[in-house]
Amino acid sequence: SYELTQPLSVSVAPGQTARIPCGGDNIENKNVYWYQQKPGQAPVMVIYRDNNRPSGIPERFSGSNSGNTATVIISRAQVDDEGDYYCQVWDSGTVVFGGGTKLTVL
Amino acid sequence: EVQLVESGGAVVQPGGSLRLSCAASGFRFDDYTINWVRQTPGKGLEWVALINWDGTSIQYRDSVKGRFIISRDNSRNVVFLQMNGLSTEDTALYYCARDEDSGYDHWGQGTQVTVSS
Repeated sequence: SYELTQPLSVSVAPGQTARIPCGGDNIENKNVYWYQQKPGQAPVMVIYRDNNRPSGIPERFSGSNSGNTATVIISRAQVDDEGDYYCQVWDSGTVVFGGGTKLTVL
Repeated sequence: EVQLVESGGAVVQPGGSLRLSCAASGFRFDDYTINWVRQTPGKGLEWVALINWDGTSIQYRDSVKGRFIISRDNSRNVVFLQMNGLSTEDTALYYCARDEDSGYDHWGQGTQVTVSS
């Protein structure tokens, strides 16, 4: 079965750029979706189809997908960006999530 | 405003059954595929099942095949997840989520299922 690999945690200083990777075999051939989840809340989509932002998501959020790695990029990181981030793809008619990455901004 | 509201979660003994509901409002319900996604405490997201707009296309993750049944009633704007043969491995917060262009653009707040003796 297809697997997505994410680091457990990423830290970034306020105002700097955070990059959260998601590894998968030839993931560049798949559409990747990203979700942010804050404690006690449901996930929120922040990127769809590799590099598109849903309405209401700040322009500071962007995405890339090349080779075996997709990445969500958060520019000018803010404390409010802290949370767990999950990548997601479709594979063989089913949905696969990455294990999640905790983003800390400090 | 798009809303998804889950209900039906409870504490149940191993081997027991539960039926979860996902009530939708604020959008044309029968235009969308609806999914169930679960999350164990302190752990990640795990896709469970999906049902397309008219119920003719259904998929399950392997670990729930033969035990869970997803269905929908478009006249009532509701999706159900019938869960049978529950085990402790099924303990989780269960979300329903709307599928928009193969991503989940709206989620409910979840309903807790605890399987324990």
